[in-house]
Amino acid sequence: ETGVTQTPRHLVMGMTNKKSLKCEQHLGHNAMYWYKQSAKKPLELMFVYSLEERVENNSVPSRFSPECPNSSHLFLHLHTLQPEDSALYLCASSLAGNEGTQYFGPGTRLLVL
Amino acid sequence: GNSVTQMEGPVTLSEEAFLTINCTYTATGYPSLFWYVQYPGEGLQLLLKATKADDKGSNKGFEATYRKETTSFHLEKGSVQVSDSAVYFCALIPGTGANNLFFGTGTRLTVIP
Repeated sequence: ETGVTQTPRHLVMGMTNKKSLKCEQHLGHNAMYWYKQSAKKPLELMFVYSLEERVENNSVPSRFSPECPNSSHLFLHLHTLQPEDSALYLCASSLAGNEGTQYFGPGTRLLVL
Repeated sequence: GNSVTQMEGPVTLSEEAFLTINCTYTATGYPSLFWYVQYPGEGLQLLLKATKADDKGSNKGFEATYRKETTSFHLEKGSVQVSDSAVYFCALIPGTGANNLFFGTGTRLTVIP
């Protein structure tokens, strides 16, 4: 596979469930990102990992927990989510640095019931 | 702070019409500017970018010029096609050493035959 892949593409979960989103990049990048895309709102940056270390956490609730085991893989662990967390979750990767163009995966469409 | 404002839309055009989507920004430092496109059911794809004042980014017939004096990066295309129907996002990286993208809210374009 090429580019940035995300699994699953769609996920429905109850508020008491625990699930994980997976992202994998095949571009040789060393920075990875999670974004949340909600209707009629700008994309919200959630987490940034650069060289496998978290460098940004934009005050995201603790019910979202990221994990970056290596430069090619990124996870977002979900537990006790709320209905307002329903959104499209996008993963991106880039070369670390000031002008590294970010390449996005297709996203996971999450619905919390 | 850093922010991007773009025309809200939706925009509906007939095939072969001229397209302009306005984008203005505020930024700390000297930002790099981007246009991303999101086709239905897909993630974001980089359309074009410009990294310094007066640069013109271009791709697939789309163009945008980095105007520092008006803090703008308007997207234009001379003759749109049905296949250009998508959501277009203007974005910036601040240029202060961080690699975080700041997005506008997106503009939905529909091109009718």
